[in-house]
Amino acid sequence: EPEVTQTPSHQVTQMGQEVILRCVPISNHLYFYWYRQILGQKVEFLVSFYNNEISEKSEIFDDQFSVERPDGSNFTLKIRSTKLEDSAMYFCASTPDGPSRDTEAFFGQGTRLTVV
Amino acid sequence: DQQVKQNSPSLSVQEGRISILNCDYTNSMFDYFLWYKKYPAEGPTFLISISSIKDKNEDGRFTVFLNKSAKHLSLHIVPSQPGDSAVYFCAASGGSSGNTPLVFGKGTRLSVIA
Repeated sequence: EPEVTQTPSHQVTQMGQEVILRCVPISNHLYFYWYRQILGQKVEFLVSFYNNEISEKSEIFDDQFSVERPDGSNFTLKIRSTKLEDSAMYFCASTPDGPSRDTEAFFGQGTRLTVV
Repeated sequence: DQQVKQNSPSLSVQEGRISILNCDYTNSMFDYFLWYKKYPAEGPTFLISISSIKDKNEDGRFTVFLNKSAKHLSLHIVPSQPGDSAVYFCAASGGSSGNTPLVFGKGTRLSVIA
């Protein structure tokens, strides 16, 4: 069964450093997403991406964050200067088309980011 | 602002009995609701969904009920099995364009005791 894959599974970084989280969405999917879950809290939407541009973003997704689809398979989330509060589990997801009716998102296994 | 609320952080049920997980929402524009299951160290996996034009959807042991007037949905698992032990997230989407990302609840940890 096709799946969304994320690397690395765990990333430890020092505060102020840049990190790039990588995702390979399901190959025929067109919409890509990043969500995050701070420990003990709900899964929160960060950004959606379609046709090589951001489709929608939440207020969490500030100027420190950026996304890119550098080639035909990878979808990356970059955090420019990490803060302690960026420590969370980051999930990539993809859907065949937009997040509209009758479409479920397929999630990767997540990258645990720890900022120290 | 919690648009999707799961008020029970945890639930314990005996094997073979029914598990009922509840979810409330506040945004009347939501028109599609999903349940995701999450095991430790894994991403959420889709379980079952329901469109707002229905009030019930069934898939094997899993049934989701939607009460639009109460803005409430529930997931029933019967019979519950130890392998069902996981965190269950309620999620919703929808809006005037029908094109919004998922909004998740905080999750309910289900423990099925053998």
